[in-house]
Amino acid sequence: AQKVTQAQTEISVVEKEDVTLDCVYETRDTTYYLFWYKQPPSGELVFLIRRNSFDEQNEISGRYSWNFQKSTSSFNFTITASQVVDSAVYFCALSGGSYIPTFGRGTSLIVHP
Amino acid sequence: DAGITQSPRHKVTETGTPVTLRCHQTENHRYMYWYRQDPGHGLRLIHYSYGVKDTDKGEVSDGYSVSRSKTEDFLLTLESATSSQTSVYFCAISESVPAAEAFFGQGTRLTVV
Repeated sequence: AQKVTQAQTEISVVEKEDVTLDCVYETRDTTYYLFWYKQPPSGELVFLIRRNSFDEQNEISGRYSWNFQKSTSSFNFTITASQVVDSAVYFCALSGGSYIPTFGRGTSLIVHP
Repeated sequence: DAGITQSPRHKVTETGTPVTLRCHQTENHRYMYWYRQDPGHGLRLIHYSYGVKDTDKGEVSDGYSVSRSKTEDFLLTLESATSSQTSVYFCAISESVPAAEAFFGQGTRLTVV
């Protein structure tokens, strides 16, 4: 069985602060994929990034960066210099040999002006 | 944007009535999923399909059934709606598993009174 844990239910920051969203996963598969999705207040779910289990390189996209560490089974997401538009619920997800994507419970990020 | 449409977008129904939600895609993706989203629970898988007439249960399938007679359509039926099925329902599609990301519909807000 696979599992995704997002221990942070809600994070509140002030604009321009850096914030890290944690994601810890469990799987017995050797090949698997990790994802982050964003759900803004409008409600739609938007794909942000995918990582496979063989690629531990960190990725940076603008103000967003992702840190994948197999040793700690973590795939954390950092927003640098947060903005109000970053306010959303963020979901981490895992897909492996079962072919069923498993989602974490989500972290609600509130960025105050 | 991926072509995925859910209907209806909002529905209020009475306890004990049957309800069918429709998910329609124009991407010809093989995999389709129904999730429900509830506060504190994140996204939970109800049923999924890996091809026409090929479906299977997710973690919260009790009280729900699905059908997929065409690649593009995936129907979710609540046989006899209960108040515990009040939720936001999301359909998702994926081109392949486990590697490909999921694309989500806009969601259906269902209220059972």
